[in-house]
Amino acid sequence: QLQLQESGPGLVKPSETLSVTCTVSGASITSSTYLWGWIRQPPGKGLEWIGNIYYSGTAYYNPSLKSRVTMSIDTSKNQFSLKLTSVTAADTALYFCARLNWSHDSWGQGTLVTVSS
Amino acid sequence: QSALTQPPSASGSPGQSVTISCTGTSSDVGANNYVSWYQQHPGKAPKVMIYEVTKRPSGVPDRFSGSKSGNTASLTVSGLQAEDEADYYCSSYAANKNYVFGTGTTVTVL
Repeated sequence: QLQLQESGPGLVKPSETLSVTCTVSGASITSSTYLWGWIRQPPGKGLEWIGNIYYSGTAYYNPSLKSRVTMSIDTSKNQFSLKLTSVTAADTALYFCARLNWSHDSWGQGTLVTVSS
Repeated sequence: QSALTQPPSASGSPGQSVTISCTGTSSDVGANNYVSWYQQHPGKAPKVMIYEVTKRPSGVPDRFSGSKSGNTASLTVSGLQAEDEADYYCSSYAANKNYVFGTGTTVTVL
């Protein structure tokens, strides 16, 4: 059974870099059928697509975040990661990882990252 | 890319039907058949209810159905049940491997 589990720092200071990782179990991240994605949800607000990454490392980002986002994939650990630079309070959100096959068909439970000094 | 437009709220009595709209543009909703709908209960991760406009994943009740006309997609929940009370989000592929989500609709079962 496919499971995705996010892990992150919980608290990040303004202007620093946010880093979160998604560990995938029950399926190989190297499957050519799927991409792997990140979505975030500020408290009390809606979903925002951040980006997707293919097992080859090719990534696609939301144009509004592209200058600050980097996604990577570690096939040896069956993990993929998100880095967001120069964070502000507006980046405070629940960060979800998900599997994508034209729709986001499996999701992790999310990790809350708060940006505060 | 801008978020897809959904009504903030919708409601219905048990057994009734409710339809939620999702309006995009000719660059996203109107450009392909990769519209999906997600149900999110408080404190939970979203769950896909409809994909590729009309398809239901295994385990999703057939009370949930999707459609699309032009730049607007719709989700209909028939025979409303108490457990259908949740937030619903649409999403669309938007070219260049980009995706966009809707603004979200809170469904209340009266």
